[in-house]
Amino acid sequence: QKEVEQNSGPLSVPEGAIASLNCTYSDRGSQSFFWYRQYSGKSPELIMFIYSNGDKEDGRFTAQLNKASQYVSLLIRDSQPSDSATYLCAVSKGGKLIFGQGTELSVKP
Amino acid sequence: KAGVTQTPRYLIKTRGQQVTLSCSPISGHRSVSWYQQTPGQGLQFLFEYFSETQRNKGNFPGRFSGRQFSNSRSEMNVSTLELGDSALYLCASSEFGTGVNTEAFFGQGTRLTVV
Repeated sequence: QKEVEQNSGPLSVPEGAIASLNCTYSDRGSQSFFWYRQYSGKSPELIMFIYSNGDKEDGRFTAQLNKASQYVSLLIRDSQPSDSATYLCAVSKGGKLIFGQGTELSVKP
Repeated sequence: KAGVTQTPRYLIKTRGQQVTLSCSPISGHRSVSWYQQTPGQGLQFLFEYFSETQRNKGNFPGRFSGRQFSNSRSEMNVSTLELGDSALYLCASSEFGTGVNTEAFFGQGTRLTVV
């Protein structure tokens, strides 16, 4: 079992819809949880991080963390074609980030 | 505020050679972590340096090494290059290291191709 798991996708949503990206992790000792966006050929860009149970909102993005279920998600409201990218979930453990394989999101105009 | 700067952006090396990559973190950040990204393995942690000391290490062979200078700039060295070392090498800068309530920001990466 991988430490951080994401659906590889591709996840396709129409422009203006809500995109929901999910991530599960195996180690209950994980401390913080990060979402990065990576465009093809570029480096990962931090969208947001969360470390307390519940929701955290930043503009069109909402991260949700449920430590009991070992689950973290990212919601993107009013999805735009420019949101088309690979979204990486990362978990902080022991001073390093452990990444999932990423979910490819495609937003269709 | 300047971001994370990695040099060079692209490298082509021959098997058996060695290579040194550089990373300058965000001003004020003392932690630099290195990651390797490949299509098959994704992003994998190499090591972290904090205040010139290696604080964490991933599961990579000893051919991969690094160091950090007093100005927090870090270098990563790979000796005896293998074809499988072809990858995007990313460094991440954070103020205190990756932990609770601490963000990590990536540089543009160095694309290494070993032929």
